[in-house]
Amino acid sequence: DTAVSQTPKYLVTQMGNDKSIKCEQNLGHDTMYWYKQDSKKFLKIMFSYNNKELIINETVPNRFSPKSPDKAHLNLHINSLELGDSAVYFCASSTSTVTYEQYFGPGTRLTVT
Amino acid sequence: AQSVAQPEDQVNVAEGNPLTVKCTYSVSGNPYLFWYVQYPNRGLQFLLKYITGDNLVKGSYGFEAEFNKSQTSFHLKKPSALVSDSALYFCAVIPGGDDKIIFGKGTRLHILP
Repeated sequence: DTAVSQTPKYLVTQMGNDKSIKCEQNLGHDTMYWYKQDSKKFLKIMFSYNNKELIINETVPNRFSPKSPDKAHLNLHINSLELGDSAVYFCASSTSTVTYEQYFGPGTRLTVT
Repeated sequence: AQSVAQPEDQVNVAEGNPLTVKCTYSVSGNPYLFWYVQYPNRGLQFLLKYITGDNLVKGSYGFEAEFNKSQTSFHLKKPSALVSDSALYFCAVIPGGDDKIIFGKGTRLHILP
């Protein structure tokens, strides 16, 4: 009965490739997020969707494109991967845009070689 | 700029002793405050939050935090540390009137047996 799940857990790929990370939540939450955690463990929000609508879009390269087919899913597609994209990406969800409590997925460790 | 500071990169505490992990913030309005914990190779887990009301909030695993408006602090505390408390702890803030959560850089808590 996983609350927020991400696939894959590990992703190793070469520079220039295009890859996607999937996120699903079964909590009935309206809002979902993508975070990037760098090698120094610094956590920064990338995107937020509420009921399939983009509400937060931080300064993220255009190569990153979130897609929300329904409110239970928020996928992250990355084009033309670069070495600097190597990080752990976390998906999260919350009941509303007023983010009282966020529930995080287990993370996807992306390594670009 | 709105910010959250966790002044200590690492805190070492002997098992059984009280622990404190510090967090201060500089944001507009009346903030919502949170603590999250990240165990190795895991996603973040919600510990506790302050929205309004009693300045002392109690959370999971015996942790508590005190909101101090005059000092703009929200330190995490536990009366008696356990080895299993060893993890990375993140303070997070939502500024008043905003919907974006800002994370501190994290503090690694190491409980010595």
